[in-house]
Amino acid sequence: EVQLVDSGGDWVQPGGSLRLSCTASGFTFNYYNMNWVRQAPGKGLEWVAYISTLSSAINYADSVKGRFTISRDDAKNSLYLQMNSLRDEDTAVYYCARETTGFDHWGQGTLVTVSS
Amino acid sequence: AIRMTQSPSSLSASTGDRVTITCRASQTISTSLTWYQQKPGKAPKLLIYAAATLQSGVPSRFSGSGSGTDFTLTINSLQSEDFATYYCQQYYNFPFTFGPGTEVVFK
Repeated sequence: EVQLVDSGGDWVQPGGSLRLSCTASGFTFNYYNMNWVRQAPGKGLEWVAYISTLSSAINYADSVKGRFTISRDDAKNSLYLQMNSLRDEDTAVYYCARETTGFDHWGQGTLVTVSS
Repeated sequence: AIRMTQSPSSLSASTGDRVTITCRASQTISTSLTWYQQKPGKAPKLLIYAAATLQSGVPSRFSGSGSGTDFTLTINSLQSEDFATYYCQQYYNFPFTFGPGTEVVFK
């Protein structure tokens, strides 16, 4: 069974940093492109970042470019999101998502709260 | 960035109704469009990809159509488990963008 488990969410002050993790199981992780998607409380979905197989291509939403870094460790079946210079507006549930034609499997989400 | 719009933003319907949700892209995206269903407190679920292809395991009452800039999600014979929020998303180019969502509520 395909499983994605998101972790690392926490409360952090503005300007702080946090690292999210997504641990995959039930499929060959290195075969798939991966993404992070977030959802602010009561709001819609916002795509955040993409990483291809072999980490050969990476893309970010303008709202996080220069502050967030997506990476993967295929040996550990893990996806990461390093978030620096966090702002109030980064408060959201963050989901990792496996990409085929569309995001066919999602993690359960991890909550990041940025507040003083 | 390609902007996605959806209409309506909310609709009320009854079990057994036929429901249609429209999604429009600000520029052509061919058929690079997906539809997701999300229930409160849960991760989104992929329903349709490539504008019209049903994801494995999704009931056949869901269907999608369209190409270019205009797309439609139809739910035939709405069931109780279909009351949720629906999002379209383009993957034609980066940044990937989602529509604002359509909430389907019980009439």
